[in-house]
Amino acid sequence: EIVMTQSPATLSVSPGERATLSCRASQSLSSNLAWYQHKPGQAPRLLIFGASTRATGIPARFSGSGSETEFTLTISSLQSEDFAVYYCQQYNNWPQTFGQGTKVEI
Amino acid sequence: EVQLLESGGDLVQPGGSLRLSCAASGFTFSSYAMSWVRQAPGKGLEWVSSFNAIGGNTYYADSVKGRFTISRDNSKNTLYLEMSSLRAEDTAIYYCAKGRPSGKGLDYWGQGTLVTVSS
Repeated sequence: EIVMTQSPATLSVSPGERATLSCRASQSLSSNLAWYQHKPGQAPRLLIFGASTRATGIPARFSGSGSETEFTLTISSLQSEDFAVYYCQQYNNWPQTFGQGTKVEI
Repeated sequence: EVQLLESGGDLVQPGGSLRLSCAASGFTFSSYAMSWVRQAPGKGLEWVSSFNAIGGNTYYADSVKGRFTISRDNSKNTLYLEMSSLRAEDTAIYYCAKGRPSGKGLDYWGQGTLVTVSS
């Protein structure tokens, strides 16, 4: 099983600042990685697939980069609605696995 | 508009069984892989199981293999998760999710259904 490790566990930022979230895989994924945003009481939302492709309707302030084992999600200028938990997920191998999440808080 | 509506969550005793359903609409259900993902209280997301559109292959997390069975009825646009030998650690919100083409991520999710395993 591929282990996904996200850092930091919690990221404290102010509105308008840049946030950088990291995700590391225990083995190579090529670019088979997705990022999700999850708010309490809501369904998770796909942000990025293929490591760097924004999903439909996702604002340009969200960007993904990386390949193989190191990946990054960047939120260029945090808006109030961006405070949430973010998860990376690998779909390169079965079983698919999620990271433990990064909470972005004010 | 894509909609996924889960149902079937309930309070069940350890060792018991439960069947979850996910009614899909707004897309050609038979053409897409479908998955179940869960979130235990205070924990992160955990992938549980997937059912491919082509070939009918199914996949399971080690934590549920042999106890859970995923199935789909394309004539009813419905995904199922049959759960047996339930344990306290299966307590979670269970989400149904639609796969993107070629399995690259999960692009639509339901609101979830709560399963509580407790005596």
